[in-house]
Amino acid sequence: GENVEQHPSTLSVQEGDSAVIKCTYSDSASNYFPWYKQELGKRPQLIIDIRSNVGEKKDQRIAVTLNKTAKHFSLHITETQPEDSAVYFCAATVRAGANSKLTFGKGITLSVRP
Amino acid sequence: NAGVMQNPRHLVRRRGQEARLRCSPMKGHSHVYWYRQLPEEGLKFMVYLQKENIIDESGMPKERFSAEFPKEGPSILRIQQVVRGDSAAYFCASSAFREGYGYTFGSGTRLTVV
Repeated sequence: GENVEQHPSTLSVQEGDSAVIKCTYSDSASNYFPWYKQELGKRPQLIIDIRSNVGEKKDQRIAVTLNKTAKHFSLHITETQPEDSAVYFCAATVRAGANSKLTFGKGITLSVRP
Repeated sequence: NAGVMQNPRHLVRRRGQEARLRCSPMKGHSHVYWYRQLPEEGLKFMVYLQKENIIDESGMPKERFSAEFPKEGPSILRIQQVVRGDSAAYFCASSAFREGYGYTFGSGTRLTVV
């Protein structure tokens, strides 16, 4: 089955700097890669996603890039703000037949220092 | 649209008791996924259900755990004879398969076994 890994496990940046979070996946058939943000005690919320037919997607201060050959994808946050502090999870899935379960990485704790 | 509703938000059970966690998917969503989250760990897939069918239960422990999604009513995750190791946050997510791949998560049930 799919295995998703995230590195590093924690990241601390100064407010205004950029943050990059990287994930690797194992199943070359995976074709959908979402990113979720989870604040303390709250539900994971989808912030951006990318499908395998594109290499990059951007939404205001966040962007995601995908390298299918190397089987890795990254989340980029520019001009970080304190409210960006949270746990970020990457995930992958193969939409094959009726089973589209997401496999998640362990998450990275991002801290933005004011 | 009320989103994915989970109840209860917090559940305390003594060892050996049964825990019942409920999940009502978003209106129009017919696919439900249950995930377990341990402290400082990622989201671990448990089971994927459609109405009246278990599609994938590869993440469910073989004993004490069961899940259902009846024709009428919410999806239920049932844990019999709970042990301390069952203490975790249990999240339910739903999706509308035809609309794409994205999940919407509920607020979770935090189970504490004492």
